[in-house]
Amino acid sequence: DVKVTQSSRYLVKRTGEKVFLECVQDMDHENMFWYRQDPGLGLRLIYFSYDVKMKEKGDIPEGYSVSREKKERFSLILESASTNQTSMYLCATRQGDSPLHFGNGTRLTVT
Amino acid sequence: DQQVKQNSPSLSVQEGRISILNCDYTNSMFDYFLWYKKYPAEGPTFLISISSIKDKNEDGRFTVFLNKSAKHLSLHIVPSQPGDSAVYFCAASEGNTDKLIFGTGTRLQVFP
Repeated sequence: DVKVTQSSRYLVKRTGEKVFLECVQDMDHENMFWYRQDPGLGLRLIYFSYDVKMKEKGDIPEGYSVSREKKERFSLILESASTNQTSMYLCATRQGDSPLHFGNGTRLTVT
Repeated sequence: DQQVKQNSPSLSVQEGRISILNCDYTNSMFDYFLWYKKYPAEGPTFLISISSIKDKNEDGRFTVFLNKSAKHLSLHIVPSQPGDSAVYFCAASEGNTDKLIFGTGTRLQVFP
């Protein structure tokens, strides 16, 4: 079974801080994704990656960047956290045509 | 602009009865649709999918219906069980691609 692990369940950060959200998968999947989930807005795609050192913008990339130095690890970076980035962040993986496999999420609060 | 809409934020159904969750989309290029279920403190898990070449797909207690002319899909759960209580998201894409567009979710509560 695919395991997608997000390193933190809860994070509280201050406005202006640089924030790293980490995601690790154990099934050698090529594709990895970062979504955020907000009430009334559903899940929205921030960035995704098809391979090491490759990245593609999703629907809401502004204020975020990503890093994929190793196949199993995909990091989401908030360069300067703002209160409107308070959200639930979900990492997911995919191989070929299979459905997305999600991690359990990181709830980030920016104060 | 929300391309995938779930107009009912919540639904309450008695155990054993049918649950019907609805989803509408606006982009006529969407041809692949999925439903995900999400429990609190967990990530969404895949439930069932359908491509536009079909109008129905069934998996045990779960059936998805697609009405392309109306740009509408629905998820039927029969019979509903308390363990089905969760938030359900529909999602759509052009082809089975990586750029899924999710709806806003419907919270289903199944009571005894």
